Amino acid sequence: SQTIHQWPATLVQPVGSPLSLECTVEGTSNPNLYWYRQAAGRGLQLLFYSVGIGQISSEVPQNLSASRPQDRQFILSSKKLLLSDSGFYLCAWNPDRGDYGYTFGSGTRLTVV
Amino acid sequence: GNSVTQMEGPVTLSEEAFLTINCTYTATGYPSLFWYVQYPGEGLQLLLKATKADDKGSNKGFEATYRKETTSFHLEKGSVQVSDSAVYFCALHGSSNTGKLIFGQGTTLQVKP
Repeated sequence: SQTIHQWPATLVQPVGSPLSLECTVEGTSNPNLYWYRQAAGRGLQLLFYSVGIGQISSEVPQNLSASRPQDRQFILSSKKLLLSDSGFYLCAWNPDRGDYGYTFGSGTRLTVV
Repeated sequence: GNSVTQMEGPVTLSEEAFLTINCTYTATGYPSLFWYVQYPGEGLQLLLKATKADDKGSNKGFEATYRKETTSFHLEKGSVQVSDSAVYFCALHGSSNTGKLIFGQGTTLQVKP
């Protein structure tokens, strides 16, 4: 069966520090991968998605970047965090079929102080 | 473009009350429709889905019927429990998309004993 792992679960980082969040999927190949952010009490904002290794699409201009160095690995990064980067970050995957929906990871709570 | 609109929350109900959370959508073609649930501090879980008109998705006592004539996918449950307190997201996958889902803004449900 397929599983998705996301870590760390919580993170407190100072302003200006770098960020690396990792997401991996097991039990499938060539998944579509997604990074979402959820600000406190708000909805979901799609940040990046990837349909293959090295293929990254950015949905909004911001202080973050994403990479997909391996088929089932998706990394969210920042060189210098801002206070506004605080939020709940969610990774998700699906096969290349829209009617399948997403499977989400358990999320990372990032607080920038 | 494709979009999803949910009723604003929070929705506050007493235990065993009837629940309806409204969801309407705008999309070309024949989208697939989903309801996700997010419990406090967790990622999103797929609750139910419907992939064609007049389909009824159901799970854990929740139901939603794909109504193409009214472009709606309202979530219902006959008798809510305190454990149903969560945020509920309606989403669609449009037929012209990649695997991306379009989410509504989420509706918070609070069930009081």
